[in-house]
Amino acid sequence: AQRVTQPEKLLSVFKGAPVELKCNYSYSGSPELFWYVQYSRQRLQLLLRHISRESIKGFTADLNKGETSFHLKKPFAQEEDSAMYYCALSTRMNTGFQKLVFGTGTRLLVSP
Amino acid sequence: GAGVSQTPSNKVTEKGKYVELRCDPISGHTALYWYRQSLGQGPEFLIYFQGTGAADDSGLPNDRFFAVRPEGSVSTLKIQRTERGDSAVYLCASSFDMNTEAFFGQGTRLTVV
Repeated sequence: AQRVTQPEKLLSVFKGAPVELKCNYSYSGSPELFWYVQYSRQRLQLLLRHISRESIKGFTADLNKGETSFHLKKPFAQEEDSAMYYCALSTRMNTGFQKLVFGTGTRLLVSP
Repeated sequence: GAGVSQTPSNKVTEKGKYVELRCDPISGHTALYWYRQSLGQGPEFLIYFQGTGAADDSGLPNDRFFAVRPEGSVSTLKIQRTERGDSAVYLCASSFDMNTEAFFGQGTRLTVV
């Protein structure tokens, strides 16, 4: 079965500190992983996907198939990074549609 | 342009009642998805539409849940005989096609009392 695990419900850091939000997945096929973010009173939005291998707002994430992980990292956290972060796995169904399986989310709180 | 719009933003209903939740996707988006997010959980897939047809409804929890998209644009999620366990935020998303980024609405918070 497909599963995404985010072990931390809350991660609290000070501004300027490094951040790592953990994500592990379970999937028998070729995985496609995403990070979504939800800022306070805003809608869920895509932050980054592993296939694009880009840095968004200073965040990066590397897919490690050996460890089945897709941790989200940022070297220096900013207060505006405070939000709820969801890791998601895309699983391709018979119809060709890619269903997203989400983790339970990690709330990142960056204090001044 | 406008994003995905969901109405109402909040709905309180009594146990056993029928509710309808509406989703207006981004214009031109052929793919539409419904997800449900219970308290403390991530979103869980319910149903996917490609055009007017429900291409995948494997996430609907039981036959009390039904969704339509008659003209390939607006979609309505219908819940019959609501139960307290149906309380959640119902999210709608749309994408240009099934292989492109999905954009989410603000969600409808359903509370069954």
